[in-house]
Amino acid sequence: SSELTQDPAVSVALGQTVRITCQGDSLRSYYASWYQQKPGQAPVLVIYGKNNRPSGIPDRFSGSSSGNTASLTITGAQAEDEADYYCNSRDSSGNHLAVFGGGTQLTVL
Amino acid sequence: QLQLQESGPGLVKPSETLSLTCTVSGGSISSSSYYWGWIRQPPGKGLEWIGSIYYSGSTYYNPSLKSRVTISVDTSKNQFSLKLSSVTAADTAVYYCASHIRYGDWYFDLWGRGTLVTVSS
Repeated sequence: SSELTQDPAVSVALGQTVRITCQGDSLRSYYASWYQQKPGQAPVLVIYGKNNRPSGIPDRFSGSSSGNTASLTITGAQAEDEADYYCNSRDSSGNHLAVFGGGTQLTVL
Repeated sequence: QLQLQESGPGLVKPSETLSLTCTVSGGSISSSSYYWGWIRQPPGKGLEWIGSIYYSGSTYYNPSLKSRVTISVDTSKNQFSLKLSSVTAADTAVYYCASHIRYGDWYFDLWGRGTLVTVSS
């Protein structure tokens, strides 16, 4: 089955831009979706498809993809963006499977 | 507004079967556009997809759990359920139910709050 690889931790200064990446073979066939999870809360979808934001997600969140790598960019990071971020995609093996990355802990300094 | 809510025992003994139910409210589980899935998260760890079901009963499971997992649907109650057999301490986790689009990219757009299940004697 496919795997998605994320950096365990990333930090960003308040107001600066940060990119969180996700690598995996399935990303050559499917777009990644991205989830924000704060302590004690359920994950929340922040980006899906080519670069779509669900209603209520600030436009400082954006997504992009190239080859086997997907990226979540936060432009002008805010203190409330400090959270764990997970990528997810459908498996490209031809089976109906889903896979999650290991997660990236974002610290806003 | 569609909502999902997990329910079930918070404590299960080793070797027994974990059983959880997800109730869908504010909409129909018989939507042709959605699958209904289970995802878990051990304490301090990442997310793991367990499996998904379509309202017709078609199921898809994580190969690593497939031998122990059964997901079923009850359209009359607008619910779907998870059974995980022969549990061990490694199955201790927060279990989430979630919906995801059926076609193309699978993104989980709506999540329940999650329920913590502890495996312990």
